[in-house]
Amino acid sequence: DVVMTQSPLSLPVSLGQPASISCRSSQSLVHRDGNTYLSWFQQRPGQSPRRLIYRISNRDSGVPDRFSGSGSGTDFTLKISRVEAEDVGVYYCMQASHWPPNTFGQGTKLEIK
Amino acid sequence: EVQLVESGGGVVKPGGSLRLSCAASEFTLSNAWMNWVRQASGKGLEWVARIKTKAEGGTTEYAAPVNGRFTISRDDSKNMLYLQMNSLKAEDTAVYFCTTLTSVLHHPDYWGQGTLVTVSP
Repeated sequence: DVVMTQSPLSLPVSLGQPASISCRSSQSLVHRDGNTYLSWFQQRPGQSPRRLIYRISNRDSGVPDRFSGSGSGTDFTLKISRVEAEDVGVYYCMQASHWPPNTFGQGTKLEIK
Repeated sequence: EVQLVESGGGVVKPGGSLRLSCAASEFTLSNAWMNWVRQASGKGLEWVARIKTKAEGGTTEYAAPVNGRFTISRDDSKNMLYLQMNSLKAEDTAVYFCTTLTSVLHHPDYWGQGTLVTVSP
């Protein structure tokens, strides 16, 4: 199984400041079809997960443009350009290039400093 | 508005069975691969099972910890997804979400609100 490793696991950020979360996979996430199936999810307290980004950098409809995804191969990053109060929650990366199983990172808890 | 609504969770003894349901509205389940993902209290997300569309053979896949005990199925005529869980263990205790978990370009991703399964003597 592909192991997804996120860092940091805890991320205190001041309002208006940028934030960055790293996600590394144990093997390249380039699928045999040439695409890379790496997604980012946000889970606010008490809510279901919500996808923010898919295929590395495609932002879902309704997701603020302060969220961006980048990376390739085994190294990926989710960036928030200016953190807002509503961004508090846990962020997960997930790979769907080599399944089963789809595998998630451990989660990064973002809190306001 | 698209909704996925899970039901069927509850408290069950180790070794017991439970059947979870996921009802879709404003969304045609038959066109989508569907998944169950679970989350133990205070823990991360764990993929559990997937079922492809009937047009693609309705193939199913399972995570190793549930393989042989859980069965995912769909009833497209009712727009419903199911998870039959047998031989339940304490470590199956979690909130179970049904979700599309799609990576198809320009396809939105949908999640239900989750249903809690507690396996306890």
